[in-house]
Amino acid sequence: AQSVTQLGSHVSVSEGALVLLRCNYSSSVPPYLFWYVQYPNQGLQLLLKYTSAATLVKGINGFEAEFKKSETSFHLTKPSAHMSDAAEYFCAVSSYSSASKIIFGSGTRLSIRP
Amino acid sequence: DAGVTQSPTHLIKTRGQQVTLRCSPKSGHDTVSWYQQALGQGPQFIFQYYEEEERQRGNFPDRFSGHQFPNYSSELNVNALLLGDSALYLCASSLIAAGKAGELFFGEGSRLTVL
Repeated sequence: AQSVTQLGSHVSVSEGALVLLRCNYSSSVPPYLFWYVQYPNQGLQLLLKYTSAATLVKGINGFEAEFKKSETSFHLTKPSAHMSDAAEYFCAVSSYSSASKIIFGSGTRLSIRP
Repeated sequence: DAGVTQSPTHLIKTRGQQVTLRCSPKSGHDTVSWYQQALGQGPQFIFQYYEEEERQRGNFPDRFSGHQFPNYSSELNVNALLLGDSALYLCASSLIAAGKAGELFFGEGSRLTVL
């Protein structure tokens, strides 16, 4: 079975500071990995996805994530936080054989301090 | 280009009743997935429809059923409602085509409250 664990239900950073949201995955087969963002009162939006083409994946709004097989991790980073980044972030996993069955983590709420 | 639209946006039911939620996928998409998101939790996969058939299913009881129509729109039906069914129900559409796996486009959801 596949699963993801997001470390930290709430992360708070100052505007301009580094954003680091942690995600570890469990999968018996090569995974597809995703980060989705949910802004208040909106649906989820895809930030980026990993499908084995490159271990460093760049997404929208300046976010990127690095796939580390040895650590089973797929952490999300952004060099400089902006107030508009405040949202709920979800890490998710699927597999090549079941690509559209996306399993989500419990989410990390990102707050930005002025 | 309209995105994913869901209706109704909010509804209140009592235990034992039945509910139907509706979803229109993003233009050009052929696959619809349904998720349940309880307060403070991540979305939980209910099932996925493609070519009017249920293709994959998560760990949800048979009380949860669905349908996909020839125009790709979809319905989620929940029978014999329980208090624990109170949640935000999200519809997501996608393309089954290779290279688009996991690229889900979500609607804003239907908030179901069961009293």
